[in-house]
Amino acid sequence: SAVISQKPSRDICQRGTSLTIQCQVDSQVTMMFWYRQQPGQSLTLIATANQGSEATYESGFVIDKFPISRPNLTFSTLTVSNMSPEDSSIYLCSAQRGISYNEQFFGPGTRLTVL
Amino acid sequence: EDKVVQSPLSLVVHEGDTVTLNCSYEVTNFRSLLWYKQEKKAPTFLFMLTSSGIEKKSGRLSSILDKKELFSILNITATQTGDSAVYLCAVERYSGNTPLVFGKGTRLSVIA
Repeated sequence: SAVISQKPSRDICQRGTSLTIQCQVDSQVTMMFWYRQQPGQSLTLIATANQGSEATYESGFVIDKFPISRPNLTFSTLTVSNMSPEDSSIYLCSAQRGISYNEQFFGPGTRLTVL
Repeated sequence: EDKVVQSPLSLVVHEGDTVTLNCSYEVTNFRSLLWYKQEKKAPTFLFMLTSSGIEKKSGRLSSILDKKELFSILNITATQTGDSAVYLCAVERYSGNTPLVFGKGTRLSVIA
C-alpha cells in the first residue's frame, strides 16, 4: 500500500476565497484522484489528476472551480475556488499504483468549512 | 492512533453463498461508518451507519453497527459473480486531523 498525506487536515475559510489542498504520496503511483464527501453524503469523484496534463473532470465538476495540478508522480494539488458554504466538505486524495481500480489507497482527507 | 481494520482481507466463495465482512474501528470523535463497493474508478456507496443496532438493507446486502463493541458487519446473501469487488469500510470523524479513516478493504471473489 501507499502512504498518502494531505495538507491542511482542516481549514475554515471565508466565502469567496480559495483554498489549495496538497496531496503527497510516499512512492510513485500511476493514478491520483480527488474526491469530495459532503456531510452525510457519499464519496463523489471530482477528477482524475493526470501527470503533466490537464485533469479529467467528472460530470458536474469544472476546471475553473476545481483547478488541479499534478507536476509529478507523487504529488497533486486541488484548489477549491471562489468558495461558498456549499463547498463545505471533506476532500480526499487517493492513489493507485497499477491499472486496477480495486487497489486505490485513500488519504486522510481535508475537512473544509466555508462560512 | 485511529485505525479501521477489515477482515478477512480476501475471500473466495461460490455463487449462492452468504458472506459476512467485518470492520472494527478505534477512532475518536466518531461520526459515522460507511461501506463502499469498489469495482470501478470510484467506490460505490452502500451504507452509512450512525446508530447502533439498526440494520440497513438494500436488496441482498445488509449492514449493522455496534458502537459499544466498535464494529460493523456487512452481509451479502445469495452471492452472485457481480458481487466480486473490494469492499471498503471507512469511519468519518467529527474532528481531528484525519476526517476519514479507511480500512484496507476486503477483496471478495464469487465464483460460479
